[in-house]
Amino acid sequence: EIVLTQSPGTLSLSPGERAILSCRASQSVSSRYLAWYQHKPGQAPRLLIYDASNRATGVPDRFSGSGSGTDFTLTISRLEPEDFAVYYCQQYGRSPLTWTFGQGTKVDI
Amino acid sequence: QVHLVESGGGVAQPGGSLRLSCAASGFTFSTYAMHWVRQSPGKGLEWVALIRSDESDRYYADSVKGRFTISRDNSQNTLFLQMNSLRAEDTAVYYCARDLRKGAYGDLWGQGTLVAVSS
Repeated sequence: EIVLTQSPGTLSLSPGERAILSCRASQSVSSRYLAWYQHKPGQAPRLLIYDASNRATGVPDRFSGSGSGTDFTLTISRLEPEDFAVYYCQQYGRSPLTWTFGQGTKVDI
Repeated sequence: QVHLVESGGGVAQPGGSLRLSCAASGFTFSTYAMHWVRQSPGKGLEWVALIRSDESDRYYADSVKGRFTISRDNSQNTLFLQMNSLRAEDTAVYYCARDLRKGAYGDLWGQGTLVAVSS
């Protein structure tokens, strides 16, 4: 089973700054089956990035994903007030079918 | 507007049962695979189960296999999770999610329903 480790645990930044979030896998992620989600308390999680670098529908272009193999990054180019949230990476395993999440990175002010 | 709304959460005793529902609207429910994902208090997200659009296949996390059953009623645009033999560690907010593609990602999520297992 692949384990995803996110760093840092908390990122304290100000609006307008750049956020760089890391997700490291214990084994290579096949076919770049990696996603990023944004989650705010009491709200539904929101898919931001899939296949490591594809933005989901309606996601602003300040969000970008990169990486392959075992190292992946989510970059928020200029933080907006609504971007302060917890971000999770997620890997899809095909055999057996399963999802694995990282433990999350909290982006706060 | 596309929506997923979970219901059925509550308090159950260890060894008890609960049935969660997820009502879908605004899209053709019968053409999408669907997932359940949960979040225990103070912890991260954990995938629970997937069902294909036509119910041809179901997949479960090892932690719930043999105790939970995912099902759906495409005529009623509703997803279900039957939870039996509940344990304290099943306490969590349960989310339903629409599958984006091939069971790989969830592109639409509900706001969740809280399940608390306690004596």
